[in-house]
Amino acid sequence: LAKTTQPISMDSYEGQEVNITCSHNNIATNDYITWYQQFPSQGPRFIIQGYKTKVTNEVASLFIPADRKSSTLSLPRVSLSDTAVYYCLVTYQTGANNLFFGTGTRLTVIP
Amino acid sequence: EAGVAQSPRYKIIEKRQSVAFWCNPISGHATLYWYQQILGQGPKLLIQFQNNGVVDDSQLPKDRFSAERLKGVDSTLKIQPAKLEDSAVYLCASSLVTPNEQFFGPGTRLTVL
Repeated sequence: LAKTTQPISMDSYEGQEVNITCSHNNIATNDYITWYQQFPSQGPRFIIQGYKTKVTNEVASLFIPADRKSSTLSLPRVSLSDTAVYYCLVTYQTGANNLFFGTGTRLTVIP
Repeated sequence: EAGVAQSPRYKIIEKRQSVAFWCNPISGHATLYWYQQILGQGPKLLIQFQNNGVVDDSQLPKDRFSAERLKGVDSTLKIQPAKLEDSAVYLCASSLVTPNEQFFGPGTRLTVL
């Protein structure tokens, strides 16, 4: 059974760059990594998705190294409103039982 | 664009009772997901539909949980009978296709006493 782990919590000051890592195993070259943000009493919200090297959008970057044993979400300059729980999701392209959310990382942004 | 709708938002039942949750996905989204999220944990996929067919239900406790997606649009998730450990938030999500961005509803918080 695939397992996806993340650090339980992280603290950061406003304006800093934050990097959250997700560790996973047995990722094939076409398996996807997606990151979601979740606020209390709300459903998760999409941040970014990719399956290789580096992807960047207007709010974040996603880095997937060549060994594909981990991936990193990078938030360039966090603000207080970025305080939330962040989840990585691994989507395996083959076989059943193919969607796994990580354990979640609670990010607290400090003024 | 309307988001994913779920109802009810909250439900309290006693163990051994039955309960049903309803989900209306975003119009045109072929893929629908039901997740169980226990407090402090990440969402766990229970079942995934592509239109009205089941793609993955490997983690659905089929002795007590059932789900259907009639006509490939709305979906219901049922628990019968409920156990204490079913207390959780049940999230519904939809996407155009897999593995594209999933849009989540607000969830239904179930408390089993």
